[in-house]
Amino acid sequence: QVQLQESGPGLVKPSETLSLTCIVSGGSISGYYWHWIRQPPGEGLEWIGYIYYSGSTYYNPSLMSRVTIAVDTSNNQFSLRLSSVTAADTAVYYCARRENSGWNYFDYWGQGALVTVSS
Amino acid sequence: EIVMTQSPATLSVSPGERATLSCRASQSLSSNLAWYQQKPGQAPRLLMYGASTRATGIPARFSGSGSGTEFTLTISSLQSEDFALYYCQQYNNWPLTFGGGTKVEIK
Repeated sequence: QVQLQESGPGLVKPSETLSLTCIVSGGSISGYYWHWIRQPPGEGLEWIGYIYYSGSTYYNPSLMSRVTIAVDTSNNQFSLRLSSVTAADTAVYYCARRENSGWNYFDYWGQGALVTVSS
Repeated sequence: EIVMTQSPATLSVSPGERATLSCRASQSLSSNLAWYQQKPGQAPRLLMYGASTRATGIPARFSGSGSGTEFTLTISSLQSEDFALYYCQQYNNWPLTFGGGTKVEIK
């Protein structure tokens, strides 16, 4: 059974960089697309971007200037960096796996990591 | 960007009754739509993809229909574990987008 687990600081100061890691267990990171999605408290879901295990990426244009997603296949994990954060970036951040059919919906999700942006 | 609109925002239903949730897209999606269920403090769970195909392990009381811009998720006989938030997601165009959600609550 594939499991995803987000980790990283729960509190980030405004203007700094948010960094999260998603560790994949129970399966290989190879051969799949890996996504980040976030959910502000009490709000809906916003797709952030994806990385393929080979390293190719695609980001939401609304966040593109501030987002970097990287993969570490040797440790079966991938990461998210979001720069110049503001209070609007406060959210639960989820990592998720794209289902292997080739279509961009998600069959496995992490439990989510709450990141609060505050001084 | 495709805007996804879900209605109603909240649906009050008695256990055993039918629930019908709607999702509308600002552009045609063909059948490239997924539904997720989310319970408090949990990650979303994939219910449906291709508008009408149940994901692995999803009970038959969940059904999906629609194509183009209008989609429906139906829960035929609500069980206690079905009271939750439901989101639709389009994957026809980039960026991927989600609806605002429908909360199914106990009447």
